[in-house]
Amino acid sequence: QMQLQESGPGLVKPSETLSLTCTVSGGSISNHYWTWIRQSPGKGLEWIGYMYYSGIGNYNPSLESRVTISVDTSKNQFSLRLNSVTAADTAVYYCARGDGDYLELDYWGQGTRVTVSS
Amino acid sequence: QSVLTQPPSASGTPGQRVTISCSGSSSNIGTNAVYWYHQVPGTAPKLLIYRNNQRPSGVPDRFSASKSDTSASLAISGLRSEDEGDYFCATWDDTLRGRGVFGGGTKLTVV
Repeated sequence: QMQLQESGPGLVKPSETLSLTCTVSGGSISNHYWTWIRQSPGKGLEWIGYMYYSGIGNYNPSLESRVTISVDTSKNQFSLRLNSVTAADTAVYYCARGDGDYLELDYWGQGTRVTVSS
Repeated sequence: QSVLTQPPSASGTPGQRVTISCSGSSSNIGTNAVYWYHQVPGTAPKLLIYRNNQRPSGVPDRFSASKSDTSASLAISGLRSEDEGDYFCATWDDTLRGRGVFGGGTKLTVV
């Protein structure tokens, strides 16, 4: 059974970089669309972007200038970097696997809460 | 404001049938597959329906979905207490070089 687990700081200062890692176990990170989703407090889901294991990806245009998703096949991990964060980036961040299609997200991490505050 | 429009809330009694709508446009639902997720507060969303009307293994056939033009709907029959939570529709939007979009979510209460 595949499992995904997010890790990273729970508190980030404004203007700094948010960095999260998703460790994939129980299966290979090859193939599939490795995706980040976030959910602001009391709000809905926001698609951040995905990276295919080959290095081809796509980002939400509203975040594209600040976001990077990378895949490390040697460690079976993928990562999210979001630059120049503000309070509006405070959210629960989920990593997920897209199977067959970008939004066929069949495995999810439990989510990690990130607060942007000084 | 979400690209996909869902009613903020829905409710039903045990055993009842409820439907949740998801309205979009020609650049998203009109041309791309729709997905549905169920989220129990405090947990990650769970894939409920993929490619408009397909159920992953383990999802009971009480859940069904359909798509027509620029709208989609999720139906839950034989409502159970464990069906409570938030339901989100999702699809790909072809504007702005393409992006995933979600509905604002519908909170289902089983009264």
